[in-house]
Amino acid sequence: KAGVTQTPRYLIKTRGQQVTLSCSPISGHRSVSWYQQTPGQGLQFLFEYFSETQRNKGNFPGRFSGRQFSNSRSEMNVSTLELGDSALYLCASSGLAEYNEQFFGPGTRLTVL
Amino acid sequence: KQEVTQIPAALSVPEGENLVLNCSFTDSAIYNLQWFRQDPGKGLTSLLLIQSSQREQTSGRLNASLDKSSGRSTLYIAASQPGDSATYLCAVISTGANNLFFGTGTRLTVIP
Repeated sequence: KAGVTQTPRYLIKTRGQQVTLSCSPISGHRSVSWYQQTPGQGLQFLFEYFSETQRNKGNFPGRFSGRQFSNSRSEMNVSTLELGDSALYLCASSGLAEYNEQFFGPGTRLTVL
Repeated sequence: KQEVTQIPAALSVPEGENLVLNCSFTDSAIYNLQWFRQDPGKGLTSLLLIQSSQREQTSGRLNASLDKSSGRSTLYIAASQPGDSATYLCAVISTGANNLFFGTGTRLTVIP
């Protein structure tokens, strides 16, 4: 079956702008999680959605938000971009039948200038 | 708060050698542990998942063990190949949570 897809793959924005990233999970998976990866902080959890509800949230400012649609596709939004938001943003999906094994997409590389 | 540590941070071995990567976590109340591989600039590829009730999992040349009581896991790679060169990440899901806590990774280089 098809894997997790993320769009776009690359983005360049300037400080103060906002950005929306999209993630389509593996068919049948209802949980979608978002992570930020930077050289300095490694992989950090942003939030998790399950059946259109945010179930868990990491320690990020309110500029980072997300949502999930009825087809389990998810979007995350970052408003008022800062230079430090430059990172690889990874999306993962999981299903209960697989003991919550997380499957990751290829990521979106965001560069803030 | 769960903290995950991986040792060593980097490892360079000649082709054909067997090797062990280490992972430790501070809170033994975990739901499962997962090993991933990441190639430069790419996403994460799941290698092995060990449920909290299991002691080990095997896939091809890879074997992962879990000792929940001591907060440790190892990833054993047999007969390493240059194509195994990548960063290997260990991550746990704590009981009652749905997110992964990641280690900082081990960057492996297999020299032909």
